[in-house]
Amino acid sequence: DVKVTQSSRYLVKRTGEKVFLECVQDMDHENMFWYRQDPGLGLRLIYFSYDVKMKEKGDIPEGYSVSREKKERFSLILESASTNQTSMYLCASSLRGRSSNQPQHFGDGTRLSIL
Amino acid sequence: AQSVSQHNHHVILSEAASLELGCNYSYGGTVNLFWYVQYPGQHLQLLLKYFSGDPLVKGIKGFEAEFIKSKFSFNLRKPSVQWSDTAEYFCAVTPTGANNLFFGTGTRLTVIP
Repeated sequence: DVKVTQSSRYLVKRTGEKVFLECVQDMDHENMFWYRQDPGLGLRLIYFSYDVKMKEKGDIPEGYSVSREKKERFSLILESASTNQTSMYLCASSLRGRSSNQPQHFGDGTRLSIL
Repeated sequence: AQSVSQHNHHVILSEAASLELGCNYSYGGTVNLFWYVQYPGQHLQLLLKYFSGDPLVKGIKGFEAEFIKSKFSFNLRKPSVQWSDTAEYFCAVTPTGANNLFFGTGTRLTVIP
């Protein structure tokens, strides 16, 4: 069974701090994703990566960056945290199917609060 | 831009009632369709998926969904809900060939015993 592990379940940081959210998957998946989940807005894609050192912007990349140095690890970075980045962050991974028919597997999420 | 609409934000049902959650998308090409479920305190899990073939797909726990191409819809159904179905349900769409999913805003289902 696919396991997507996010390093923290809960995190509290201060405005202006640089914040790192880590995600590791154990199934050799090519694709990895970072979403944020907010009430009434569903899941919104921040960034995704389809290979090591490759990244693509999602719908809301502003204020975030990512790093994919190894296939199994995908990090989300808040360069200078702000209160409007308080949210639930979800990491996901999937195989790179031929016709995008591979489901995504999700981690448990990190609830991040910026004070 | 692609969008996915789930018009029901919160649905409250009694046990044994039938369920239908709406999902519409706005993309003219070929798509792959998914329903995910998030039980309280748990991670998102795949409920069912449609790629091609029979437009009526069956998923886990007695759920099914019907793809109606002419209506750009992929509604989720269950004939008789249980208290354990209380969760948030997300419809998601990906254009064929793309790798990223577009999610709806979710529908919270509360089942009253």
